Amino acid sequence: EVQVVESGGDLVQPGGSLRLSCSVSGFTFSSFPMHWVRQAPGKGLEYVSAIGSSGTGTYYADSVKGRFTISRDNSHNTLYLQMSSLRAEDTAVYYCVKMGYDGSSYYYDSWGRGTLVTVSS
Amino acid sequence: EIVMTQSPATLSVSPGERVTLSCRASQSVSGNLAWYQQKPGQAPRLLIYGASTRATGIPARFSGSGSGTEFTLTISSLQSEDFAVYYCQQYNNWPRTFGQGTKLEIK
Repeated sequence: EVQVVESGGDLVQPGGSLRLSCSVSGFTFSSFPMHWVRQAPGKGLEYVSAIGSSGTGTYYADSVKGRFTISRDNSHNTLYLQMSSLRAEDTAVYYCVKMGYDGSSYYYDSWGRGTLVTVSS
Repeated sequence: EIVMTQSPATLSVSPGERVTLSCRASQSVSGNLAWYQQKPGQAPRLLIYGASTRATGIPARFSGSGSGTEFTLTISSLQSEDFAVYYCQQYNNWPRTFGQGTKLEIK
């Protein structure tokens, strides 16, 4: 069974930094791209960042580019999101998402339960 | 960026009814469209990918159709556990984008 578990969410002051982790099991982690998606309180879903299966390709939403860094450790089945220069608008539940493959493209297959990041003074 | 527009924003329906939710893309996404269900306090759950393929374990009452820019999710006979928010998402272009969601309420 696929399991995706996020951790690291916390209350942080504006301008601060935080690192989220995502531990996975039940599938071959090194074979799949992974994404971070967030959801602000009472709002919809927003793509944040993506990383290729080997870690060589990384992608970011414009809203976080230059402030967030995605990475992965395939030897420890763990995905990371390093967040810096945090703003109030980064307040959200952050989901770690495993990709599925439909033969031509990757879709969002399995989601973790999320970890809450609150940016406030 | 491709804008995904869902309609209606809210739908009040009775258990047992058939419902159709719509999702429109601002440009073609081919068949690279997924639907997700989200209940309060829970993570989204994949229902449909490839516009019409049900994910593992999803009941047959859920069906998806469409291609290009127009897509629909149909629930043939609403069950009590289906009242939730539904999101469409395109995975044809970067950045991946979601619709704003359709909330199914009990009438």
